[in-house]
Amino acid sequence: EAQVTQNPRYLITVTGKKLTVTCSQNMNHEYMSWYRQDPGLGLRQIYYSMNVEVTDKGDVPEGYKVSRKEKRNFPLILESPSPNQTSLYFCASGRDTLKRDSGANVLTFGAGSRLTVL
Amino acid sequence: AQSVTQLGSHVSVSEGALVLLRCNYSSSVPPYLFWYVQYPNQGLQLLLKYTSAATLVKGINGFEAEFKKSETSFHLTKPSAHMSDAAEYFCAVSPLGFKTIFGAGTRLFVKA
Repeated sequence: EAQVTQNPRYLITVTGKKLTVTCSQNMNHEYMSWYRQDPGLGLRQIYYSMNVEVTDKGDVPEGYKVSRKEKRNFPLILESPSPNQTSLYFCASGRDTLKRDSGANVLTFGAGSRLTVL
Repeated sequence: AQSVTQLGSHVSVSEGALVLLRCNYSSSVPPYLFWYVQYPNQGLQLLLKYTSAATLVKGINGFEAEFKKSETSFHLTKPSAHMSDAAEYFCAVSPLGFKTIFGAGTRLFVKA
């Protein structure tokens, strides 16, 4: 089954304790991205990657790091979490295409990771 | 800069009534437009997408959306609401390239 898998789904941690949220996709997608979802703000992009070893900042990258050493994996790292990073996080992937075809720019999302930082 | 505005953070309809969720976008180039749906405790799923092939786009579960360039709108409709349609709906715009900008979302409530 084609899917994006995130772990953990739920996590409660304390300020300053480093954590990593993993993301893996089995669709051989070039593009991967992390979003955070907060009430009233929709989804805001944190970081994205167009391919292996190619990453770039989204709209709200402060306090986060990512890496893309393999095509299928795109972990999100919080080096020193703070309470304002309490949120629902989504990983998404998509097929890179310059054609305006049926698959163009369609994102497949993981089930989400709810993070609470105390 | 591209942006998406969804009018109404909450919409409530009766079962069997028309569903209308409004979305306006701004984009400097002809965009891809999407509606995604999020059911409780799940990730977002694609409902439908516009990629310039036809202005009226049909999606899953009886939903459709019409692209109106003159109004810069991409409103989502369904003739008859079902209880299972209760969810949060996100309009999104994607110019050329992969950057996707999401609206703030509209939560749909369906009353029996």
